[in-house]
Amino acid sequence: DAKTTQPPSMDCAEGRAANLPCNHSTISGNEYVYWYRQIHSQGPQYIIHGLKNNETNEMASLIITEDRKSSTLILPHATLRDTAVYYCIVRNRRAGAQKLVFGQGTRLTINP
Amino acid sequence: DVKVTQSSRYLVKRTGEKVFLECVQDMDHENMFWYRQDPGLGLRLIYFSYDVKMKEKGDIPEGYSVSREKKERFSLILESASTNQTSMYLCASSDGTSGYNEQFFGPGTRLTVL
Repeated sequence: DAKTTQPPSMDCAEGRAANLPCNHSTISGNEYVYWYRQIHSQGPQYIIHGLKNNETNEMASLIITEDRKSSTLILPHATLRDTAVYYCIVRNRRAGAQKLVFGQGTRLTINP
Repeated sequence: DVKVTQSSRYLVKRTGEKVFLECVQDMDHENMFWYRQDPGLGLRLIYFSYDVKMKEKGDIPEGYSVSREKKERFSLILESASTNQTSMYLCASSDGTSGYNEQFFGPGTRLTVL
């Protein structure tokens, strides 16, 4: 799986959009970008994934650059409950079980 | 929504005890996983299962065993608990057929071995 690079920490004001960047310059053509988050003392939570088109769901939007070397997770109206560590990973789509390996992630703090 | 539940949020056991951690998922997922998470070491895979009665070792299976008698239930067993097994234990499940492999996690069990 391709390596990802994320800033170690970010702050965002409550109610504003939180934009979390991720670099994955060695991503290959069949690898997807996945985002998870982990709120303190809870299990990780799947957020969204994408291949090359922008994706949106009820939690967030994922913007992937045309060359696929980087992406941005957008939380459109951040709340205090969005304070968490956010992990960006890239992996192949294939049937069967695959383990998850998280990097250091970005610790996002939403301030009132 | 996918729901993954774990039998306990917090557990305290003594060295040498046999410990059972239970995980149940309600989405008919083929794959189930047990991880442990420790500060500075990230998420580490202990065992996983891709079907009933099937199991595969992950990266750190020593000192653990698993059981999957029913599709929805995956149990982690610490045969003889030791203090170095004090950790947060996380269960996850995923659909084994779509290939997208997003994993859905339970709330975790924080185990302390004294």
